[in-house]
Parts: sequence; structure tokens; C-alpha cells
Amino acid sequence: DSGVTQTPKHLITATGQRVTLRCSPRSGDLSVYWYQQSLDQGLQFLIHYYNGEERAKGNILERFSAQQFPDLHSELNLSSLELGDSALYFCASSVGAGANVLTFGAGSRLTVL
Amino acid sequence: DQQVKQNSPSLSVQEGRISILNCDYTNSMFDYFLWYKKYPAEGPTFLISISSIKDKNEDGRFTVFLNKSAKHLSLHIVPSQPGDSAVYFCAASGAGNNRKLIWGLGTSLAVNP
Repeated sequence: DSGVTQTPKHLITATGQRVTLRCSPRSGDLSVYWYQQSLDQGLQFLIHYYNGEERAKGNILERFSAQQFPDLHSELNLSSLELGDSALYFCASSVGAGANVLTFGAGSRLTVL
Repeated sequence: DQQVKQNSPSLSVQEGRISILNCDYTNSMFDYFLWYKKYPAEGPTFLISISSIKDKNEDGRFTVFLNKSAKHLSLHIVPSQPGDSAVYFCAASGAGNNRKLIWGLGTSLAVNP
């Protein structure tokens, strides 16, 4: 157990729907990162929050949004889902804002049918 | 444009032998490099890192070598064990505002008993 908790572990939904993925960072970590891993793709950075504020954006689609709450947990909202959004979504956390060593959760597997 | 490349999607070695995983990068601004290991159904876990001021870093059976002139790094595992079978990701980051981690696509290592 890495200390980073992601829910749900698996999610199956239909095109056009909206889902929310949840992440609780490791105790004491202020940064939360979201990554997407599609089939045959590496880890694509989506977005980074530090202590409630957005710090960096990667290849995140406009249909996707995220936030980090005062208790430091984070949610990734995916809307108007398309088949190509099917992927593993990982959350990672770190203590600081510029860390390279991240602690990852086990991921949420999203399947869009 | 893949700034971090792991050209071998897979590698198979015998238990007890050396495993060598390679990684090439294109951005000369990268100054910190990391290797992560990923087992199925788990998130990546940090393995070992190296700063650009060094050319070698060792941690037990794992050694990372950095050749800045060739923009190449490698991870050596000696001796390889069946439990090392996993996907290995190379990642790189730059200094200052370029601290976002850039990931390779991973190399799947199989260590055969």
C-alpha cells in the first residue's frame, strides 16, 4: 500500500457520460498529480495541484477538469466521454511542489463503451 | 514528439544474469533522471535516480549510468531476480520551471527462472 488511495478501481460507462475519479494523497503530501496511461502509451501528465492551487497543466483535454480540496484530496472530472478516453488514470502525490519522486496510487481503470 | 525514448518495448533475461534497460533523451535541459518500476495492477514505484552532475548512482543491485554527451542513460540490474519482472519507466525533468516529469513508454522486463 503506497498510501495514495484512488477510487474507484474500475469504472465502465458509456460515451457521452461524465465520471469523477477521486484521489487521497499520502499523509503529509501537499502535491497531487494526475496521469493518464492509454494502451501502448506512456504516462501522460494531465495536471498538478499543490496545496489547493493548480501548478501545472499538461495534455489535459478541455472536457477534463480537476480540483484539490482543502483536505488535500483531489478529483478528476471527465465529461462527454469518448471511446478514446478509456485508460488507466493514476494519481500521485509528493511532499513539495517541485518533487521528482512521486508516490503513485494503484490507478483507476476507465472503460468507455 | 517523444523527448524520452525507451526503444526496447521488452527484454527477457535469465535469473542471475545482468539486465540492462536503456533510455535516450533529446532535451539537453533535462538535469534529473529517474527510473520507476511498475507491476501489473499497481502504480509505478520509484526505483533509483541520478542527477546530471553525476555519471553513476548505485543502490544495491540497481545502478544507473548517465552519459550526458550521448543523452543516454541505462539501468543495470545485477543479479536479476524473477521478482524484478515488471515494466520499467525512465523519466526526466529539467530545472526551475521545467521540473515537469517527462516519461518514456516503458520496457517490460521478464526475468526467467
